[in-house]
Amino acid sequence: NAGVMQNPRHLVRRRGQEARLRCSPMKGHSHVYWYRQLPEEGLKFMVYLQKENIIDESGMPKERFSAEFPKEGPSILRIQQVVRGDSAAYFCASSPEGFPRYEQYFGPGTRLTVT
Amino acid sequence: QQQVKQSPQSLIVQKGGISIINCAYENTAFDYFPWYQQFPGKGPALLIAIRPDVSEKKEGRFTISFNKSAKQFSLHIMDSQPGDSATYFCAAYKAAGNKLTFGGGTRVLVKP
Repeated sequence: NAGVMQNPRHLVRRRGQEARLRCSPMKGHSHVYWYRQLPEEGLKFMVYLQKENIIDESGMPKERFSAEFPKEGPSILRIQQVVRGDSAAYFCASSPEGFPRYEQYFGPGTRLTVT
Repeated sequence: QQQVKQSPQSLIVQKGGISIINCAYENTAFDYFPWYQQFPGKGPALLIAIRPDVSEKKEGRFTISFNKSAKQFSLHIMDSQPGDSATYFCAAYKAAGNKLTFGGGTRVLVKP
């Protein structure tokens, strides 16, 4: 059973470009979460999605950031018009149906560098 | 607002020693308190978790101690090994809303 997959692993974008990060959850997992990790800091929750639904986006910046988890295909975190402050590691996690859901399975992350 | 505070930020311990990481939380509505371990270049992985109605949980060399009245919990790594060198995150989970809130992390280095 493959783990959570994220691609690309490393992404370099110039200021003003768009960054698109992909996450394929573990097989059978219908809950997807995105976190941002700044250097030397902890993980900050961004958004929680189920198939075709955004459940909680309270951690997402109001502008330039969006996320989706379509019926088919991976979850996408999109950052428009990137700025240097967006440079960070972005982790996706997934969890299956059922309890407890504190056990989230994390992908290896996408390290975004904005130049 | 930071609801889970973790200390220390970094820790160096000799092989065979005890690593102790402390966390404090503010919100009393959390349902579980998990710990995650992260190796460089990897995503975090669940290590051990405790419910707030339990004062201690032990799994191998890893023990969580929980003090509900003080709103504090800690991770003890007994007989620390170089392979334990990693960043450890405490977290608090609220079932309503299905949300994990992480502490800032502790980088542990175990010297041989």
